[in-house]
Amino acid sequence: DVKVTQSSRYLVKRTGEKVFLECVQDMDHENMFWYRQDPGLGLRLIYFSYDVKMKEKGDIPEGYSVSREKKERFSLILESASTNQTSMYLCASTPLAGGADTQYFGPGTRLTVL
Amino acid sequence: SQQGEEDPQALSIQEGENATMNCSYKTSINNLQWYRQNSGRGLVHLILIRSNEREKHSGRLRVTLDTSKKSSSLLITASRAADTASYFCANPTGGGNKLTFGTGTQLKVEL
Repeated sequence: DVKVTQSSRYLVKRTGEKVFLECVQDMDHENMFWYRQDPGLGLRLIYFSYDVKMKEKGDIPEGYSVSREKKERFSLILESASTNQTSMYLCASTPLAGGADTQYFGPGTRLTVL
Repeated sequence: SQQGEEDPQALSIQEGENATMNCSYKTSINNLQWYRQNSGRGLVHLILIRSNEREKHSGRLRVTLDTSKKSSSLLITASRAADTASYFCANPTGGGNKLTFGTGTQLKVEL
């Protein structure tokens, strides 16, 4: 079974802090994704990566950056956390291009920025 | 408005009843996917239906796709309390490199 893990289930940070969210997948997938999920808005894509060191902006990249130094790991970085970044963050991976096949999701990280 | 909008937003039924959720999308697609999310958890893939398919079954799930109407439906038969979750449709966008998700249908199955 594909396993996607995220570093924390719950995280509380202060405004202005630099925040790292880590995602690791164990199935050698090429493509990895970061979404945020907010009530009434569904899932919105922040960034995705189709290969090591490659990244593409999603629909809402402002205020975020990403890093993919190894194939199995995709990190989401909030350079200076703000209260409007309080949200559920979901990581996903897929072997094929993002829309072509199943995406496998991690359990999510609920981030609260105070 | 967003791609992959689900209807209804919320649905409450009794155990044993069938639950039907609908999804509309805006662009041409080569597949449409349905996912389930239990409260506070990640999404789990349920079923993928390709654009050349009209209907697909998986256990108690039945998905239909009407590309002429740009719509899909998910039917859960003989629902159980454990089916209580949010259900999302998703379709490829951005040249097929990503999925765009709808806002979901919250299903509650009561005993």
